[in-house]
Amino acid sequence: DAMVIQNPRYQVTQFGKPVTLSCSQTLNHNVMYWYQQKSSQAPKLLFHYYDKDFNNEADTPDNFQSRRPNTSFCFLDIRSPGLGDAAMYLCATSRVDRGEQFFGPGTRLTVL
Amino acid sequence: GQQLNQSPQSMFIQEGEDVSMNCTSSSIFNTWLWYKQDPGEGPVLLIALYKAGELTSNGRLTAQFGITRKDSFLNISASIPSDVGIYFCAGQKKSSGDKLTFGTGTRLAVRP
Repeated sequence: DAMVIQNPRYQVTQFGKPVTLSCSQTLNHNVMYWYQQKSSQAPKLLFHYYDKDFNNEADTPDNFQSRRPNTSFCFLDIRSPGLGDAAMYLCATSRVDRGEQFFGPGTRLTVL
Repeated sequence: GQQLNQSPQSMFIQEGEDVSMNCTSSSIFNTWLWYKQDPGEGPVLLIALYKAGELTSNGRLTAQFGITRKDSFLNISASIPSDVGIYFCAGQKKSSGDKLTFGTGTRLAVRP
C-alpha cells in the first residue's frame, strides 16, 4: 500500500543534543510537509517542500532545519532541542494543487 | 496563524447515537477536509470536499461543503466505540497555495 512512513515512532533525546527525524513516502507526491503538534492541539506547519524548493514558515525557529535529498525522503533536524520542543512531529505529503494531505503516523519526541 | 472555529470542542455520547460537528471561518475556502486522529497516531483523512454545496459520504460519515464556502459539517451516524478520537477540519484556499488551515478539533468520546 502507498503510504507515508516515519522513523522512529518514539525518540528520546537530551536537552541540547541534536536529533534527526525521518520521513519517507511511496505516494510519489511532489509536496512534503513537517508539522509540530502539541497535546491534542491542531498540527502547526513548520515548513514544506515543493520538490526541492524549500518553504519555511515565518515563525519556525532557526533551531529547526530540514533536508529533502530526493522525492521519497525528507528529514527534520533539531539542532539543539529544548524542553519546549517535546511534541509529536508529523510528516505529510500531497500532490501539487490538490488539497488532500496524507499524514504519517508521527514521531513522539521527548526531551530530557 | 489563523485557525478555523470548530464546535463542539468535545462530545461524550452513547453508542448508537448520531454525532454532528461543524467548522466555520470568516473567509472562503476552496477545499474542506475532515481528519480523524487516534491517540499517538497521525491524522487520517476521512472526507475531502471540493465544491460549494457538495455532500459526500464515507460509510457512516457524511460531510458537506457549505454554500457560502465558509463552513463545513461532519455527521457520524450510529456511533460505535472505535469512533473515539479527535476530529479536525481543515480548509485550503488558493491564496495559501497547498497549505492547510486547521480547526481547533472536536474530541469525541463514546460510551458503550
